[in-house]
Amino acid sequence: GDSVTQMEGPVTLSEEAFLTINCTYTATGYPSLFWYVQYPGEGLQLLLKATKADDKGSNKGFEATYRKETTSFHLEKGSVQVSDSAVYFCALRETDSWGKLQFGAGTQVVVTP
Amino acid sequence: NAGVMQNPRHLVRRRGQEARLRCSPMKGHSHVYWYRQLPEEGLKFMVYLQKENIIDESGMPKERFSAEFPKEGPSILRIQQVVRGDSAAYFCASSPTGTQPRETQYFGPGTRLLVL
Repeated sequence: GDSVTQMEGPVTLSEEAFLTINCTYTATGYPSLFWYVQYPGEGLQLLLKATKADDKGSNKGFEATYRKETTSFHLEKGSVQVSDSAVYFCALRETDSWGKLQFGAGTQVVVTP
Repeated sequence: NAGVMQNPRHLVRRRGQEARLRCSPMKGHSHVYWYRQLPEEGLKFMVYLQKENIIDESGMPKERFSAEFPKEGPSILRIQQVVRGDSAAYFCASSPTGTQPRETQYFGPGTRLLVL
């Protein structure tokens, strides 16, 4: 079945550092891909998405490009802030599904001043 | 437009008791999804409902768990005879009415269930 694998955390960075969180997927079709962010004690918020190969999703300085050839959707941000400290989840929406989301295990990011 | 609302935010139950978790979708949304997040893990799909219908319950445990979304009122996830392994965060999400359910899902803040 479809699955999502993302790098383990925690990832600890200093403010203004470059952030990359790796995400790869396995899928039988052409899924849509998402990054969600979860701040402490809160629910998940959609950060960005891409629905087809080579699409780039972007929001709040974060970017991710849907790479079909490497089955990847890595999340990047050029200069992180303390407020970016959160858990980041990569997810896919199965092609033939009504819309079920399959999540990775999450990567905790800690940004220090 | 208020977001997805869940209550209670925190729920403590003793083994063998029942837990009822409520979810009110966003206004204009009639697709509701429940997910469970076990400690240190990602979210796992449980069930997808529309008003008065269960569309996909492939992620629901076979026993003790049930879900409903009545014509009026919130969606309810019910766990009977809770066990310690049910301790988790339970998230509800919703997506808009009149669209394909493949629209973006908006998540509530979750209910954190602790079974003693």
